[in-house]
Amino acid sequence: DAKTTQPNSMESNEEEPVHLPCNHSTISGTDYIHWYRQLPSQGPEYVIHGLTSNVNNRMASLAIAEDRKSSTLILHRATLRDAAVYYCILSHNAGNNRKLIWGLGTSLAVNP
Amino acid sequence: ETGVTQSPTHLIKTRGQQVTLRCSSQSGHNTVSWYQQALGQGPQFIFQYYREEENGRGNFPPRFSGLQFPNYSSELNVNALELDDSALYLCASSSGLAGVYEQYFGPGTRLTVT
Repeated sequence: DAKTTQPNSMESNEEEPVHLPCNHSTISGTDYIHWYRQLPSQGPEYVIHGLTSNVNNRMASLAIAEDRKSSTLILHRATLRDAAVYYCILSHNAGNNRKLIWGLGTSLAVNP
Repeated sequence: ETGVTQSPTHLIKTRGQQVTLRCSSQSGHNTVSWYQQALGQGPQFIFQYYREEENGRGNFPPRFSGLQFPNYSSELNVNALELDDSALYLCASSSGLAGVYEQYFGPGTRLTVT
């Protein structure tokens, strides 16, 4: 079964870059990689997603390994508001059944 | 632009009962996905509805069922409630298939089964 593996927690200092890793060695060719984050008592918030190429948006960058078995979410300058649980998700297509497989998430702490 | 809304906010049910949760999608979105999030855990994908048809299902038993209406709002029905069904139920909408397009989440419905 497809799955993602993330570190349980990470820590960063404010205004420094943060690299959040995700392992998805069981990824298939049509599986998208998504990242969402969740603050306490809120629904998850979209961060970024990609298929094969690296992606950039106003929130973050997504670096996808050449073999696609791992990826890294990059927050270029962490702020206190970036403290959240970050989820790496595979959008896995099995036949006509597209499932979204969420990891356990990385809890990011940002120090002032 | 109205975001994703869910009702009710909280709900308490007894084991064996049935429950219906509701979700209104964001304007212009045709896909709704449902998730179960147990305390301290990540969301678990239940299923998604695209243009009124189920299109993708996670590892949940058939007593979890859903509907999507012509206005793309959606219901999640759970029959024969079990204690382990106690969780936050999240709904998300997107402008196409979840997993290909970004999703916008509602605040969730907290279900407690006693």
